[in-house]
Amino acid sequence: EAQVTQNPRYLITVTGKKLTVTCSQNMNHEYMSWYRQDPGLGLRQIYYSMNVEVTDKGDVPEGYKVSRKEKRNFPLILESPSPNQTSLYFCASSSRLAGRNNEQFFGPGTRLTVL
Amino acid sequence: SQKIEQNSEALNIQEGKTATLTCNYTNYSPAYLQWYRQDPGRGPVFLLLIRENEKEKRKERLKVTFDTTLKQSLFHITASQPADSATYLCALDLTGGGNKLTFGTGTQLKVEL
Repeated sequence: EAQVTQNPRYLITVTGKKLTVTCSQNMNHEYMSWYRQDPGLGLRQIYYSMNVEVTDKGDVPEGYKVSRKEKRNFPLILESPSPNQTSLYFCASSSRLAGRNNEQFFGPGTRLTVL
Repeated sequence: SQKIEQNSEALNIQEGKTATLTCNYTNYSPAYLQWYRQDPGRGPVFLLLIRENEKEKRKERLKVTFDTTLKQSLFHITASQPADSATYLCALDLTGGGNKLTFGTGTQLKVEL
């Protein structure tokens, strides 16, 4: 089954404790992105990657890091989480092939609470 | 400043009626506009894409229009059903590359029996 998986699905942590949220897709997609979703603000892009070793900042990159060492994986790293990073996080992937809809396939989400 | 506006108030309609949701944007020139459905606690699911040179797109009971002069897209669900109840998001693809989308905040649709 074509899918994007994220782990963990739920995480409660404390300020300053480094964490990683993993994302993996099995569709051989070139593009991958991370979003956060907050009430009243909608989905905002944190980082995106156009291929292995190619990443770029989205609209709200502060406090986050990413890496793309393999095509299927795109982990999100919070080196020193703060309470304002409490949010619902989504990973997404899409194909760059011409003629496609460029639709994004989203993962199930990771609900992060930073105390 | 750049803005994407969707009606933040929930839209309640009766089963069988046509639901119309609006997406307005300012100071953008998107190459594509996409619509997604999101159910509570789940990731958005792609529904339709419309290109800047297209006026209308249809898929089963769904229809999307795109007016680049008005900077507006309308999303229609005909013969609505309770199962259509969800939040609907519009997203602008400014580059046409599909890798960088800017989302609206979504409109919640409730279809009542």
